[in-house]
Formats: sequence, structure tokens, C-alpha cells
Amino acid sequence: DAGVIQSPRHEVTEMGQEVTLRCKPISGHNSLFWYRQTMMRGLELLIYFNNNVPIDDSGMPEDRFSAKMPNASFSTLKIQPSEPRDSAVYFCASSSPRGLRETQYFGPGTRLLVL
Amino acid sequence: GQSLEQPSEVTAVEGAIVQINCTYQTSGFYGLSWYQQHDGGAPTFLSYNGLDGLEETGRFSSFLSRSDSYGYLLLQELQMKDSASYFCAVGQAGTALIFGKGTTLSVSS
Repeated sequence: DAGVIQSPRHEVTEMGQEVTLRCKPISGHNSLFWYRQTMMRGLELLIYFNNNVPIDDSGMPEDRFSAKMPNASFSTLKIQPSEPRDSAVYFCASSSPRGLRETQYFGPGTRLLVL
Repeated sequence: GQSLEQPSEVTAVEGAIVQINCTYQTSGFYGLSWYQQHDGGAPTFLSYNGLDGLEETGRFSSFLSRSDSYGYLLLQELQMKDSASYFCAVGQAGTALIFGKGTTLSVSS
């Protein structure tokens, strides 16, 4: 089975540009999570969806960040406009309704560098 | 508020046993999870404790004491490939996992 798929794997952009990160969860999983990881702040939950509905977006840093999940097999995280402090690794993870919610399967991450 | 504390670094030699502690403070707690992350990789699930006591999975064991708001991950017969970061994460009612800052384990020969 394919795991969680994220694209792009690497993104280098200039300050002020729009960045869109994409995630395809594991088929059959109904919870999807977006995390950001930096050395300073560790692994932070940005937002999570259950059955395509945003449940907790309290971790979204500010209005420049937005996330959507139009269907069960696709989610996007958008940053507009991007800033250098957004440079981080962004992970998407999903979990199954039949397993432990604590068992999250992470994608390979998108390494974002904003110049 | 909520907080998780775990040591930032631990070093050990091959074949040894190492324990990584995690203390937490949170409301609506329902379980403690552990994840492993190799350098440049993604976090992967290791274990979960929903009840007090010890859970064993091969060379790894995890323990939880709800009354002490404390847990640990025990790694036995350490191997070089165990060098990685280890994160404890608390599950809370109504929201997703909250991760600690991670413990970097370095295993030397």
C-alpha cells in the first residue's frame, strides 16, 4: 500500500510568493494532520481534519496560512504571502478510524525554504 | 496550559539499555505515544500507552503512570540504527496529538 504522499518534496521560493503544499492521505484514513517542524519549535500541529472537516486549526500561525480538504484523498496547505520564518519541514499525517487515533502515519515531508 | 518535558539528548553505547523520560501536564489526557524520527526522515509510530503499566514491543518498551503524569521509553540491546530522535506525544480529548520537543539518542560503538 502507498503511504502518505506529499508534494513537492522540496520547495525554494522568495519572500512574498504563494506556496502550496499537497497531501494525499492513505486510502481509508479519515483523519488528516498538518505539522510544521523546526529546530526551535519542534513538531507543531497546525491543523487537523476529520472526515474532511477542520476540527482544530488553533495551531495555524496566522491568516497567511490556510488549509483545505476538498475530499477524502486530497488536502492542501497554502501560505500567502510566504516569509523567511516559514522555512521549515511540513509534514502531513493520516490515521485510520479502525485503529488507534494515536497511530499516525507521516508523509516524507516538504522542505520549504523561503528566501 | 499544556506541556511535555523530555531530555534533549541522550548518549549510549551499543548493547546498552537507555530510558527516555517524559513528563506531561495537560487537560483531557487519554494516552501517551512514542514516535521515532531518523535524521531527514519522517516520524514513525513506536508505541502507545492508554493505561498505566508497561507495554513491550520487541526491544522497545513504554511505560505510563497517570498518577505521576510520567512515562518513559526503554530501549534495550541498543544498535547503531537506534540513533534517532524520539518524541513523546500526549493524546487529548477533542484534539490531535501534542508532541514533545524530542530526545536525540546517539548510539556509539
